[in-house]
Amino acid sequence: AQSVSQHNHHVILSEAASLELGCNYSYGGTVNLFWYVQYPGQHLQLLLKYFSGDPLVKGIKGFEAEFIKSKFSFNLRKPSVQWSDTAEYFCAVNAGQEGRRALTFGSGTRLQVQP
Amino acid sequence: EAGVAQSPRYKIIEKRQSVAFWCNPISGHATLYWYQQILGQGPKLLIQFQNNGVVDDSQLPKDRFSAERLKGVDSTLKIQPAKLEDSAVYLCASSSPPQQETQYFGPGTRLLVL
Repeated sequence: AQSVSQHNHHVILSEAASLELGCNYSYGGTVNLFWYVQYPGQHLQLLLKYFSGDPLVKGIKGFEAEFIKSKFSFNLRKPSVQWSDTAEYFCAVNAGQEGRRALTFGSGTRLQVQP
Repeated sequence: EAGVAQSPRYKIIEKRQSVAFWCNPISGHATLYWYQQILGQGPKLLIQFQNNGVVDDSQLPKDRFSAERLKGVDSTLKIQPAKLEDSAVYLCASSSPPQQETQYFGPGTRLLVL
């Protein structure tokens, strides 16, 4: 079974600082990778996803993530964070046989951006 | 398009009581998921439906949890009897081809068991 590790549980940054959130997964086969974001009081929203092709994917709101297959990683980055980026960020993976592609989530990283 | 709808948004019950949650997926989405999110953790799959059939319920505690999707559209998740450790947010998500792998989540139902 696959698993996802997010090592940063709580990150505090000042506005304009750069962000990198780590995500590592364990699964030997082909995976699809996702980052979801949950703003305070809102539901989970898709930030970006990787299925295949260019390992550097760009998402909404200036976020990007890089898939490094050799490291089983899919780290999320943003060059300059804003106060409005305060949220909880979840890395997720789906794998396995076609049609049984439920997501396995990491435990999440709470990002707090200080003005 | 309308998103995934869930109700109720909040529910407080006492242990050993029963509770039911309702989900209406995005129109036309054949695949529906129920996840449980305990405070401080990521969501964990409980059950996956494809139309009205169960695809994966390997992590559903079947002695107390049940779910159905009778007409292949909306779904209900039931807990009977509830335990303290069932306190969590219950999330419903749906997906459909061609972006089968992308799941869209509802707002969740926050359950507190006292």
